[in-house]
Amino acid sequence: KQEVTQIPAALSVPEGENLVLNCSFTDSAIYNLQWFRQDPGKGLTSLLLIQSSQREQTSGRLNASLDKSSGRSTLYIAASQPGDSATYLCAGQRRNAGNMLTFGGGTRLMVKP
Amino acid sequence: NAGVTQTPKFRILKIGQSMTLQCTQDMNHNYMYWYRQDPGMGLKLIYYSVGAGITDKGEVPNGYNVSRSTTEDFPLRLELAAPSQTSVYFCASSSLSYGQFFGPGTRLTVL
Repeated sequence: KQEVTQIPAALSVPEGENLVLNCSFTDSAIYNLQWFRQDPGKGLTSLLLIQSSQREQTSGRLNASLDKSSGRSTLYIAASQPGDSATYLCAGQRRNAGNMLTFGGGTRLMVKP
Repeated sequence: NAGVTQTPKFRILKIGQSMTLQCTQDMNHNYMYWYRQDPGMGLKLIYYSVGAGITDKGEVPNGYNVSRSTTEDFPLRLELAAPSQTSVYFCASSSLSYGQFFGPGTRLTVL
């Protein structure tokens, strides 16, 4: 069974801190890794997609890396802001079976002013 | 582009009733998906489609049916609703280059 695990499950930090969210996966068939943000009661917003040929992607204050050999991805958030408070989900995509995503349980982030 | 749209936003059903959740995408994606998200949990795949006329089961398909007659539309049918189907339902479509894009969700309560 494919598993995607996110650690920590919850994180509370003061504004301005740099932080790292971790995602690990056991399925060697995962070739792309996608990070999402979900605000309470809302849908999922795609943040970054790291394709199999890439090792990292950057968007503004966000940087995501992918190490397929170790089955790990990290999402780095620089200079965190209260507006970053949300749940962050990582999901691994397999090339077979309709390119479906397998989701981790998420990290609930609270950035305190 | 509107992206992925879902209707309705909210619905309350009685046990045993049926309903169809609508999903439409305007990005010309071949791949489409239905997920459910239970409170405090991750997303689980219900059904997916790799193109018009082709559908397949995901992780939790029991109690649901889908059809894909066009590239744009991927409705999810609930027959004989049960309390265990109380959840938030998300539809998504996929591009290999840009990943999956999600709709805003339908919040369903079965009483």
